[in-house]
Amino acid sequence: GAVVSQHPSRVICKSGTSVKIECRSLDFQATTMFWYRQFPKQSLMLMATSNEGSKATYEQGVEKDKFLINHASLTLSTLTVTSAHPEDSSFYICSAGGGEGETQYFGPGTRLLVL
Amino acid sequence: RKEVEQDPGPFNVPEGATVAFNCTYSNSASQSFFWYRQDCRKEPKLLMSVYSSGNEDGRFTAQLNRASQYISLLIRDSKLSDSATYLCVVNMGGNKLVFGAGTILRVKS
Repeated sequence: GAVVSQHPSRVICKSGTSVKIECRSLDFQATTMFWYRQFPKQSLMLMATSNEGSKATYEQGVEKDKFLINHASLTLSTLTVTSAHPEDSSFYICSAGGGEGETQYFGPGTRLLVL
Repeated sequence: RKEVEQDPGPFNVPEGATVAFNCTYSNSASQSFFWYRQDCRKEPKLLMSVYSSGNEDGRFTAQLNRASQYISLLIRDSKLSDSATYLCVVNMGGNKLVFGAGTILRVKS
């Protein structure tokens, strides 16, 4: 299957810091990427849909000014958690797919711990 | 009501056992269906898609009943390596995936 990478794999930061997470599709072009968040013992929750060259679409309850998404190319989307707080500590996972109905491939995830 | 509901388990079974997981979804307009597997502290990995006609991949059989909005996964001859969380996933359209909370499977020797 296709390969999606994320960087960094783990981040520990102080409260108030902004953290940037990169998601790359390594062997295919992804017009759409998705960002999920998973809290312990809970399911993945879709945060936003990232579209190449246009604004991201955020799910209800997700603050667009706090979680900045940029999808500048067909192989890279970034999620920036601005002024992170302890309650933002979570497992952030991106996925990428080539188009409607196509399989989504997940990145390995980024564990964020905000102290 | 949650969009995708699963029995959280855990299901504790001996090696060689057959185990079945169930899942229900609330949106009748859902377009496609999947089972994913997630190991501890890892990303989900696609196990198999689910079709109305039912489909089988080795020891794994998936079934979809659109009328009842019900999806199932059957694992035969369980292996220790099958221990994981199994996620029922529904595509709501526009490639928007909704995940169930997962069912934990523990296979023991």
